[in-house]
Amino acid sequence: EDKVVQSPLSLVVHEGDTVTLNCSYEVTNFRSLLWYKQEKKAPTFLFMLTSSGIEKKSGRLSSILDKKELFSILNITATQTGDSAVYLCAVEYRDDKIIFGKGTRLHILP
Amino acid sequence: EAQVTQNPRYLITVTGKKLTVTCSQNMNHEYMSWYRQDPGLGLRQIYYSMNVEVTDKGDVPEGYKVSRKEKRNFPLILESPSPNQTSLYFCASSLFGRYSYEQYFGPGTRLTVT
Repeated sequence: EDKVVQSPLSLVVHEGDTVTLNCSYEVTNFRSLLWYKQEKKAPTFLFMLTSSGIEKKSGRLSSILDKKELFSILNITATQTGDSAVYLCAVEYRDDKIIFGKGTRLHILP
Repeated sequence: EAQVTQNPRYLITVTGKKLTVTCSQNMNHEYMSWYRQDPGLGLRQIYYSMNVEVTDKGDVPEGYKVSRKEKRNFPLILESPSPNQTSLYFCASSLFGRYSYEQYFGPGTRLTVT
């Protein structure tokens, strides 16, 4: 069965902390892995990863993919209260389907 | 402004009354998709379309229909809604269906079926 599993499901940290969110997958004919941020509305795109070992960065956020071990991590450094959101991992696979994980709910305490 | 629009944004209806949720994008994207989002289950793909007249089932297609007669529009049809279809629905579009690239999501439609 094709699946995407995110961990942890929820996380509470203090402002300034660094967090690592995990996404593992088991799918047929993997094509790409995508990270989204969702704040009480529609998800917004963060990263797309297709190759192992190449880090994508955007400000304090970064992500990397390991296609051998079938996982990706999303790092957020120097967290801010505005980073509080649900972070979604999605995988595009066979026949152009997309499957999402259940998300990690991140709460940043001031 | 590049965007995906959905209508209506909120809908309360009764069991069995056919409804259509419209989705339109102005970015000339080939790939469009419908998702439903439920607490504890995350986003699940209902149907997707690689291009005009090409549609495929996602993970949870039962009880839904779609059509893609024009590139910009991808309506979601519930022929006979049931309470278990109460959910938050998102439409999304992207360039190049092969590697989704960035999916742009609509604002969502909150549907309640009583």
